[in-house]
Amino acid sequence: AQKITQTQPGMFVQEKEAVTLDCTYDTSDPSYGLFWYKQPSSGEMIFLIYQGSYDQQNATEGRYSLNFQKARKSANLVISASQLGDSAMYFCAMRERVSGGYNKLIFGAGTRLAVHP
Amino acid sequence: NAGVMQNPRHLVRRRGQEARLRCSPMKGHSHVYWYRQLPEEGLKFMVYLQKENIIDESGMPKERFSAEFPKEGPSILRIQQVVRGDSAAYFCASSPGGGAADTQYFGPGTRLTVL
Repeated sequence: AQKITQTQPGMFVQEKEAVTLDCTYDTSDPSYGLFWYKQPSSGEMIFLIYQGSYDQQNATEGRYSLNFQKARKSANLVISASQLGDSAMYFCAMRERVSGGYNKLIFGAGTRLAVHP
Repeated sequence: NAGVMQNPRHLVRRRGQEARLRCSPMKGHSHVYWYRQLPEEGLKFMVYLQKENIIDESGMPKERFSAEFPKEGPSILRIQQVVRGDSAAYFCASSPGGGAADTQYFGPGTRLTVL
């Protein structure tokens, strides 16, 4: 069965420094996608970044980058130059491909990031 | 360009009452997913719908829960005879298609509290 594991329940980082949030996954499907979402205290889910299993390069979106190591089945999120507004819960998710051709997401338990001034 | 809209944002019900949660997908999106987030946990898939069709309800409890996405109007998640264990945040997501490359965009969620 497909599974997402986030082993860091909480992390803290100093403002302006970089931080890495860990995510490992397990799947036997050669085609899959990995997502990171941010959930601030207000509760909404904000899409950050996507990595497809066949993508040759690591995904980047502004200050977010995804350190994709396929052989190790890890998809860590790197946030550079942390800002106070980055304090939030971060979820790693994997697209579970279903035979009907659609997809549903499997989420990890999340990592709570606190950025200190 | 409005995002996914959900209402109400907060809903309080007493045990035994009914809860109706609404989701309007992004413009141009015809695929809707519902997820539930229990306190301090990640989101869990409940149901996937296209217009007028339930495609996958494998994550939805068999009893008391139902979902619909009519031809006109929002998608509705309905919980009958609510119990305390139904207290959670319920998120709706939409995508333009059901394909593997389609990103799901989430609404702000409805926080259901059962007293």
